[in-house]
Amino acid sequence: LAKTTQPISMDSYEGQEVNITCSHNNIATNDYITWYQQFPSQGPRFIIQGYKTKVTNEVASLFIPADRKSSTLSLPRVSLSDTAVYYCLVGDIRNAGNMLTFGGGTRLMVKP
Amino acid sequence: DAGITQSPRHKVTETGTPVTLRCHQTENHRYMYWYRQDPGHGLRLIHYSYGVKDTDKGEVSDGYSVSRSKTEDFLLTLESATSSQTSVYFCAISESTGTGQLDAFFGPGTRLTVL
Repeated sequence: LAKTTQPISMDSYEGQEVNITCSHNNIATNDYITWYQQFPSQGPRFIIQGYKTKVTNEVASLFIPADRKSSTLSLPRVSLSDTAVYYCLVGDIRNAGNMLTFGGGTRLMVKP
Repeated sequence: DAGITQSPRHKVTETGTPVTLRCHQTENHRYMYWYRQDPGHGLRLIHYSYGVKDTDKGEVSDGYSVSRSKTEDFLLTLESATSSQTSVYFCAISESTGTGQLDAFFGPGTRLTVL
């Protein structure tokens, strides 16, 4: 899987938009970009996934530039319950011996 | 939520004893993974499986072994538990969508304490 780099931590306030950027310079042609969210004492859960341009769901948006060497997770109008660790993963599950390797993630703290 | 269970959910054991953790899925997913997570750290992959009897090592496999005799069960064994293996263990499953997408689902975790 492509190596990813994210900020270690970020702070925000309720109601603000939060953008977390992930760098993945060696992304391969068939790789997808996936973001997970993890609350304390729980396993990570899928947030959003994309290949190129922009993807939006009910939780977040994912912006991917044309060169695909980075991606930005955008959380609109965050609340205290969005305080969590966010992980960026890049890879292609079709490859034999696939692994899901997590980096350190970004610890988001939302303040009142 | 995807059907993944882990057992036991909590375990306290003593150094030197063998411990087996079980991950059970009802989704018929091909891929299964074991991770450990220590306080303030991300998830580290221990072992993974890409089919029945097909397993391989992850980044922190020393002291751990795995077995997958059925699609639905993935067992993690600590052959001789040490205090450094005190951690929270997560199981995950995933399946190929045929288009390269990664859709992984995680179990609730097992908190293991080795005294």
